[in-house]
Amino acid sequence: RKEVEQDPGPFNVPEGATVAFNCTYSNSASQSFFWYRQDCRKEPKLLMSVYSSGNEDGRFTAQLNRASQYISLLIRDSKLSDSATYLCVVNSASGGSNYKLTFGKGTLLTVNP
Amino acid sequence: EAQVTQNPRYLITVTGKKLTVTCSQNMNHEYMSWYRQDPGLGLRQIYYSMNVEVTDKGDVPEGYKVSRKEKRNFPLILESPSPNQTSLYFCASSLTSGGRTVDNEQFFGPGTRLTVL
Repeated sequence: RKEVEQDPGPFNVPEGATVAFNCTYSNSASQSFFWYRQDCRKEPKLLMSVYSSGNEDGRFTAQLNRASQYISLLIRDSKLSDSATYLCVVNSASGGSNYKLTFGKGTLLTVNP
Repeated sequence: EAQVTQNPRYLITVTGKKLTVTCSQNMNHEYMSWYRQDPGLGLRQIYYSMNVEVTDKGDVPEGYKVSRKEKRNFPLILESPSPNQTSLYFCASSLTSGGRTVDNEQFFGPGTRLTVL
């Protein structure tokens, strides 16, 4: 299994749709999980951290399943401005001297009018 | 304003001509890192630094050097650039490299687009 693997996409959805992204990770010792958003040719920016209990921020919901080593991101009522690449990011640290953030290759989302 | 800055933003150079891409953060972050991003390959880590004078290799360190003499600066050095180093480069920093998830959030610079002819 790859360290961090995401749906390859691309996803094309109409405005108002609900879209879900999935991500799996291989290192069971991983400690921190994130979803980043990257607009074309721009730097990645944090969308949400992902906590064990699941967390929600407006239209966005992130979930973590440690047993299955699986992370998800749900976007409800999608807007044109949600069009971007979504990156799953995992901290695979197994100790203070072995910190490593591994990025998935990203899933491109296009929201159409 | 809290930020990570990189310079230059765009650079076209020729094979073998040494270059340095600077990276600076004003957030007193301990952890800094360099990535390259290529189509179909995603973001790959080149080097990282846990703190001043502490650096280590990432996934693709060949052909690159770094230094961390001060907390705020983490330059990326290409001693003899080659065309396969043509890429989009990002510098990033985070408060720490462990502990709370919130402290691991990485802030990225705007990117440096490098072309090596």
